[in-house]
Amino acid sequence: AQSVTQLGSHVSVSEGALVLLRCNYSSSVPPYLFWYVQYPNQGLQLLLKYTTGATLVKGINGFEAEFKKSETSFHLTKPSAHMSDAAEYFCAVTYTGKLIFGQGTTLQVKP
Amino acid sequence: DSGVTQTPKHLITATGQRVTLRCSPRSGDLSVYWYQQSLDQGLQFLIQYYNGEERAKGNILERFSAQQFPDLHSELNLSSLELGDSALYFCASTSGGAAYEQFFGPGTRLTVL
Repeated sequence: AQSVTQLGSHVSVSEGALVLLRCNYSSSVPPYLFWYVQYPNQGLQLLLKYTTGATLVKGINGFEAEFKKSETSFHLTKPSAHMSDAAEYFCAVTYTGKLIFGQGTTLQVKP
Repeated sequence: DSGVTQTPKHLITATGQRVTLRCSPRSGDLSVYWYQQSLDQGLQFLIQYYNGEERAKGNILERFSAQQFPDLHSELNLSSLELGDSALYFCASTSGGAAYEQFFGPGTRLTVL
């Protein structure tokens, strides 16, 4: 069975500060890992994904994530937060196609 | 714009009623997934169709059913509605397998009164 745990349901950072959203997964088979972002009243948009190959993955809007198998983690980072980054972020895992999501982390960016 | 469309955007109905949610996938995508997003359960996978055939089922209630038509659009039918069915229902489509990005529609917000 696969599962995802996102540490921290709410993260607050100042504009220009580092963003770190934590995701740990559980999977008995090599997983595919995704980060999605949801802006208010919108659907989910893919930020980045890890399937195979390079463990440091770069995504849209300056986000990146590193797959660490030994730590079963896939944390999302961005060096400098922007006000427009305020949204809800979901980590997801799959092997068969159906996405298993974490509970989500709301990112607040303070001016 | 993901290319996935869902109608209606909002739906308000009463307990015991039946509703149908519609999803049109991106052009060429054969696979459609349905997800439910609620405050208490979060985002949960309901069911997947591939080229008209059911491929996978999640924690979908027996009161819920879905189908995918020859033109690849999909419908999610919810019957005997309960207050707890109030949620945002998303469909997503993809052109490939598990490693491929799923493109999400804007969702249908269902309110059961």
